[in-house]
Amino acid sequence: DAGITQSPRHKVTETGTPVTLRCHQTENHRYMYWYRQDPGHGLRLIHYSYGVKDTDKGEVSDGYSVSRSKTEDFLLTLESATSSQTSVYFCAIKPATNEKLFFGSGTQLSVL
Amino acid sequence: AQSVSQHNHHVILSEAASLELGCNYSYGGTVNLFWYVQYPGQHLQLLLKYFSGDPLVKGIKGFEAEFIKSKFSFNLRKPSVQWSDTAEYFCAVNERAAGNKLTFGGGTRVLVKP
Repeated sequence: DAGITQSPRHKVTETGTPVTLRCHQTENHRYMYWYRQDPGHGLRLIHYSYGVKDTDKGEVSDGYSVSRSKTEDFLLTLESATSSQTSVYFCAIKPATNEKLFFGSGTQLSVL
Repeated sequence: AQSVSQHNHHVILSEAASLELGCNYSYGGTVNLFWYVQYPGQHLQLLLKYFSGDPLVKGIKGFEAEFIKSKFSFNLRKPSVQWSDTAEYFCAVNERAAGNKLTFGGGTRVLVKP
């Protein structure tokens, strides 16, 4: 695999609490992405980054924020978790334009 | 905004049957096209990709896909499936003008019965 680690792998939290998911890569790739996977919706892009401190919104960014202070780490924060954010979250990395994505193993988040 | 449509949500077939999964996208510009596969309990892996050149692309595990620009389609095929092909398959499109955002279809769950 492409040296991507997501943490935690599983998390259960309560509505209204903040949650931070971490994606760590060892490949020094420029592009990093956060997707959520839900039945019938495939993968939907939440936020992505094209370099340190350079981030942009995806199609489902409401309720999420991200930070990338180092090349290797891309953090996804749910500012105040809601039940609709129960999902599997995948981080992905890409070395350059016109390259494939490499995916992490996912984080199963349940918001009760 | 571009969209990616996968027509079948679930497909059930027997071993040795042929498989074809449809994928259509809405964007009319230059695109990069991908098929990813997710085996049960695993993360997504690339099956094949098309950037340019021969519109018939061969991928891993006997899969191929054909890009038909006039139909905005990139259908995935395999002539003879195996039980191990049971997985969820995702089509994805990257508009080159949109930079590095990849849009996925809703996925097709394929169950191959032994």
